[in-house]
Amino acid sequence: EAGVAQSPRYKIIEKRQSVAFWCNPISGHATLYWYQQILGQGPKLLIQFQNNGVVDDSQLPKDRFSAERLKGVDSTLKIQPAKLEDSAVYLCASSPNLRGQLNLVNTEAFFGQGTRLTVV
Amino acid sequence: AQTVTQSQPEMSVQEAETVTLSCTYDTSESNYYLFWYKQPPSRQMILVIRQEAYKQQNATENRFSVNFQKAAKSFSLKISDSQLGDTAMYFCAVSGAGSYQLTFGKGTKLSVIP
Repeated sequence: EAGVAQSPRYKIIEKRQSVAFWCNPISGHATLYWYQQILGQGPKLLIQFQNNGVVDDSQLPKDRFSAERLKGVDSTLKIQPAKLEDSAVYLCASSPNLRGQLNLVNTEAFFGQGTRLTVV
Repeated sequence: AQTVTQSQPEMSVQEAETVTLSCTYDTSESNYYLFWYKQPPSRQMILVIRQEAYKQQNATENRFSVNFQKAAKSFSLKISDSQLGDTAMYFCAVSGAGSYQLTFGKGTKLSVIP
């Protein structure tokens, strides 16, 4: 089974420039997440999709960040314009189902290798 | 709201020895899940072990086991027979039973010394 694919692995841009990250989740996984991991911290959820609809984007800085998941498969995360504090690793993850019942057994989120963004 | 606290920024252990990583959490959810993820230098988060909060029995996965103390909101990870490949960042995380959203701690950097 292929894992979560992300590209690019690394990106260096100047502040005020724009950048886009791409994620291809595991086939059949309905739920897709974007996390931001600043150096020395744990990942923080930016946005969660269920199929092609947004479930939660409460922590997404909407003045500069945007994300979409067309056709409920691939997703892109964009930053425009970038700030120095956006330097971080951006992780994409996917999972097959939302948990609603205690007897759901697949509770694991699968992560990609992330994109390391450096804003200079 | 959920919070996760990992009070040990760094730890080291001799190869083949046992080490315990600490984690405390807080959540307003009545049903929730707890996880330990490993993040090697490749950056990919890998699930080590998970615990359903409604289960009293502590989860085990080969050399990895947890000590889940629900009343104390404590969820520690024990690694037995430590191997060089266990060297990584370890993150404790919690999620509510209605969502896969993970709230992570700041992590513990574990070094296994030959």
